[in-house]
Formats: sequence, C-alpha cells, structure tokens
Amino acid sequence: DTAVSQTPKYLVTQMGNDKSIKCEQNLGHDTMYWYKQDSKKFLKIMFSYNNKELIINETVPNRFSPKSPDKAHLNLHINSLELGDSAVYFCASSRWQRDFTDTQYFGPGTRLTVL
Amino acid sequence: AQSVAQPEDQVNVAEGNPLTVKCTYSVSGNPYLFWYVQYPNRGLQFLLKYITGDNLVKGSYGFEAEFNKSQTSFHLKKPSALVSDSALYFCAVMNYGGATNKLIFGTGTLLAVQP
Repeated sequence: DTAVSQTPKYLVTQMGNDKSIKCEQNLGHDTMYWYKQDSKKFLKIMFSYNNKELIINETVPNRFSPKSPDKAHLNLHINSLELGDSAVYFCASSRWQRDFTDTQYFGPGTRLTVL
Repeated sequence: AQSVAQPEDQVNVAEGNPLTVKCTYSVSGNPYLFWYVQYPNRGLQFLLKYITGDNLVKGSYGFEAEFNKSQTSFHLKKPSALVSDSALYFCAVMNYGGATNKLIFGTGTLLAVQP
C-alpha cells in the first residue's frame, strides 16, 4: 500500500551513462515533485509537475529530463551522468498546489552513485 | 523569499527527557510551516504543519510544534523522548507566489536520543 514509490532504491553507474528513476503515487494527487538531497543532507526541489505539465524547473541542468506519462507517474531521466550527480533523489506528491497548505508526501528515495 | 533556519546541527537528549528541535523562519506574507522526519535510509515522513489557528500544533508520534509569530519560530517538541525518535528532522516553509509553490527546507537537525 505504498503511497509514493520509487525504483530503483539504489543505482550505481559509470560517468557518462544515461539512467532513469521511476516514481509512482497512488494517492490520487495532481502534483508531483523531484527533490535532490546532497551528501550534506541538504534538500532542494528540482522539478514540479501538475497534471503532466511542468510548473517548476529550478535551473537544473538540461541533462535532467523529467517525464510524466500520466498524473500518477513522474520519471526522471539523466543523461551523461557526472560525479556531482551522486545524491539521493526523492519523489513527492501533493494535491493541486493552488492550495498552498497541501502536504507533500515523499517516496523512500533513490540513492544514485556515479563512479 | 521564504527561508527557514535550523541553528543546531545536532541535539542530544536522554530518553525520557523533553526534547526541542529549533526552527526559525523568514517569510513575506503568511507563514506555512512544516516538520518532516527522515529515519536512516528512509524517505521523509510528514510530522505536522502550521497553517493558521492554534499556535500549538499536534502531529504524529507524540510530537508538537509551537508557532511563535513574535519570535518567528516554529520549534518542534516532545515531552518525553524515545530512542526510536533518533533521526534527522527538517523544518520547511512553503514558498508561494504566482503559479507555483514549493517547499524550502532547512539544513536539518540530527536528534540523538541516548538510552
């Protein structure tokens, strides 16, 4: 009954490779997010989608391309991986964000290690 | 722009003692404040939020937070700490405006509860 799920949980890859992380939510939410947590545990938003439409892009390199096939899924594709991409990536979801009070619910995270 | 500060990297407390994890905020407009907890190798779990109303907000696992407008603080509290409360705690503020809103997180406070 996981509300927000991510796959894979761990991802180890070489520099220059392309990889994808998948996220799914079964909460019926309209809005989904990707956050990056660096090695110092600092969390920062990367993207937000509402009903499959991009609404936040926090100056993330264009090697990162989110894709939302439907409002329950938000996948993150990363091209030409770099060492600095090593981090934990969290997916989250909430109801439509016109209501600023909506709680965001997070997935378990994907630990990406680039060698 | 909205921001939160967590002045303590780590808080140590003995089991059974009360605990406080500090958070101060800086916002223009109404503050919408959140607390999340991250257990080791897990995603973030929502604890509680302040939107409006009573300054004392009760949340999950026996936690509560006190909103203090004059001191611009939103400290997390628990009357009696458990070893299982040991985790990383994040304060966050909703940064809203225009067509988007997003959570801005503090740097996190590691809570260590000694038996």
